[in-house]
Amino acid sequence: AQSVAQPEDQVNVAEGNPLTVKCTYSVSGNPYLFWYVQYPNRGLQFLLKYITGDNLVKGSYGFEAEFNKSQTSFHLKKPSALVSDSALYFCAVSFRSSNTGKLIFGQGTTLQVKP
Amino acid sequence: KAGVTQTPRYLIKTRGQQVTLSCSPISGHRSVSWYQQTPGQGLQFLFEYFSETQRNKGNFPGRFSGRQFSNSRSEMNVSTLELGDSALYLCASSTGTGEYEQYFGPGTRLTVT
Repeated sequence: AQSVAQPEDQVNVAEGNPLTVKCTYSVSGNPYLFWYVQYPNRGLQFLLKYITGDNLVKGSYGFEAEFNKSQTSFHLKKPSALVSDSALYFCAVSFRSSNTGKLIFGQGTTLQVKP
Repeated sequence: KAGVTQTPRYLIKTRGQQVTLSCSPISGHRSVSWYQQTPGQGLQFLFEYFSETQRNKGNFPGRFSGRQFSNSRSEMNVSTLELGDSALYLCASSTGTGEYEQYFGPGTRLTVT
């Protein structure tokens, strides 16, 4: 079965410190990989995607993610966390082979950045 | 460019009733996908419409249905509501071709009593 795992329900970091939110996936083939962020009572906002090429992708608000094919991981990172980064983060995959709008999401990780 | 809009934002319905939710995609986007978000099950894919045709479907019962109009606007219908249908329903639009990301609306919060 196709699945996405975010092993940490919550990540706590101090403002100014680097942050990492982990994601691993188990899908057949070569998926597209995405990160989304959700603020309270809001929809999801697209942060970044990996399609092909350079394993380090840069996205919105200073976030980046590193694709590791051998470890089937796509961890989200930011060099210096802000209090305003506190939100719920989702990793997701879609499928190259079927060109459809079906995203499979991880269960989400709450990021708490403390001043 | 205007974002994805969903109406209504909040709904309260009674068990057994039916409900229709609406989604207007970003201008030029031809694909609309629907997702259900609950605390227990997380984000689950319902279905996707592209050019008025259902292109993919998730594992939900037949009570959940949708359609897409020629202007790409989409509606989702849930019949015979159950308490477990209480959720945030999100729609997302995209170009529908190539290497695309989806853009989400703010969601419709459905409460079934």
